[in-house]
Amino acid sequence: KAGVTQTPRYLIKTRGQQVTLSCSPISGHRSVSWYQQTPGQGLQFLFEYFSETQRNKGNFPGRFSGRQFSNSRSEMNVSTLELGDSALYLCASRGDEGYVDEQYFGPGTRLTVT
Amino acid sequence: AQSVSQHNHHVILSEAASLELGCNYSYGGTVNLFWYVQYPGQHLQLLLKYFSGDPLVKGIKGFEAEFIKSKFSFNLRKPSVQWSDTAEYFCAVKDSWGKFQFGAGTQVVVTP
Repeated sequence: KAGVTQTPRYLIKTRGQQVTLSCSPISGHRSVSWYQQTPGQGLQFLFEYFSETQRNKGNFPGRFSGRQFSNSRSEMNVSTLELGDSALYLCASRGDEGYVDEQYFGPGTRLTVT
Repeated sequence: AQSVSQHNHHVILSEAASLELGCNYSYGGTVNLFWYVQYPGQHLQLLLKYFSGDPLVKGIKGFEAEFIKSKFSFNLRKPSVQWSDTAEYFCAVKDSWGKFQFGAGTQVVVTP
């Protein structure tokens, strides 16, 4: 099975711009979660989508939003970028079948805001 | 709100030394517990997980972890590390609503 893929892998944006990141989960997985990873902060949970509905949400401002399509692919959008949004954004998918609960992570999108 | 605390941010040790990484969480309900590892330049991958049953769980590459419910802890151990264990290690907790919380990570450097 192909793993979780994320595009683009690297992105440079300037303050005030917006950005859209994409994630394709493992085939058959319906749950997609997004995390922000920064040095010293670990992984901060952004949100989780399951069958096109947001199921869980972290404590991020409304500038961070997401959606999931019928094929389970997900996008994350950040509007009005700030310098502090520079981070590695990780996507993870899981099958959500019984106790098969482990998450499989993608390689991430490295976002730099200048 | 639940939180996950990893005791050490950086650990440096020599090959063949024993490793123990601490992880404590604050959540009173039923939890599932995980340790993930991120090798340099690679994806995060699962080392081991605890759902129920035997509180001592074994994972890949000789790692094990012990769940102590009374202490809200899930410490990771390896009796003898190798240079290839150099990586960042993350403890994670999934609560009864399915929400994952990760610790800040511990950077482990194993010197030859």
